[in-house]
Amino acid sequence: EVQLVQSGAEVKKPGESLRISCQGSGYSFTNYWITWVRRMPGKGLEWMGRIDPTDSYTNYSPSFRGHVTISVDKSINTAYLHLSSLKASDAAMYYCARGALTMDSWGQGTPVTVSS
Amino acid sequence: EFVVTQSPGTLSLSPGARATLSCRVSPRVSGSYLAWYQHRPGQAPRLLIYGSSTRATGIPDRFSGSGSGTDLTLTISRLEPEDFAVYYCQQYGNSPFTFGPGTTVDIK
Repeated sequence: EVQLVQSGAEVKKPGESLRISCQGSGYSFTNYWITWVRRMPGKGLEWMGRIDPTDSYTNYSPSFRGHVTISVDKSINTAYLHLSSLKASDAAMYYCARGALTMDSWGQGTPVTVSS
Repeated sequence: EFVVTQSPGTLSLSPGARATLSCRVSPRVSGSYLAWYQHRPGQAPRLLIYGSSTRATGIPDRFSGSGSGTDLTLTISRLEPEDFAVYYCQQYGNSPFTFGPGTTVDIK
């Protein structure tokens, strides 16, 4: 069974940094890109960017470039989403998903709270 | 950046009814690089349709997609209780692969 398991809920202060992990299992991890998607409270889904685990090539949405970094450690089948200099507006649910174009399997989501 | 819009914002229907959801992409997306996702509260999103009209693995045949280029339609032939959710359209022809704002299908 294909599974993407994300790290747990995070509570951060403004200005802090954050790393969310996403571990894949049940499939060949390097055969599928990992995409990250944000959903802010009361809002819709936003495509953030994606990474090819084979060579760590990344592709970001201009809305997120410079504020987030996507990385991968293929030795442990895990992708990461790094957010720096957190603001209150970064509070959201973050999902990882399998796929370069469409996403056919999703992680359970990681809720992030940013509050002083 | 490609802009994806969806209508209506909310669709209030009874179980057993037919649901028709619309999506528009501007500018036109080449090919049929359009998809639909379902998002139930408290769950991860689920891919329903890709390539405008191909059902993803395990998706019941009451879900169907049509259209291409600029206008896309998702039809749910007979609403089951588990179908009441938010539905998103996504274009994946040009990065960033933008989603629409979603259509909420709720119980009338």
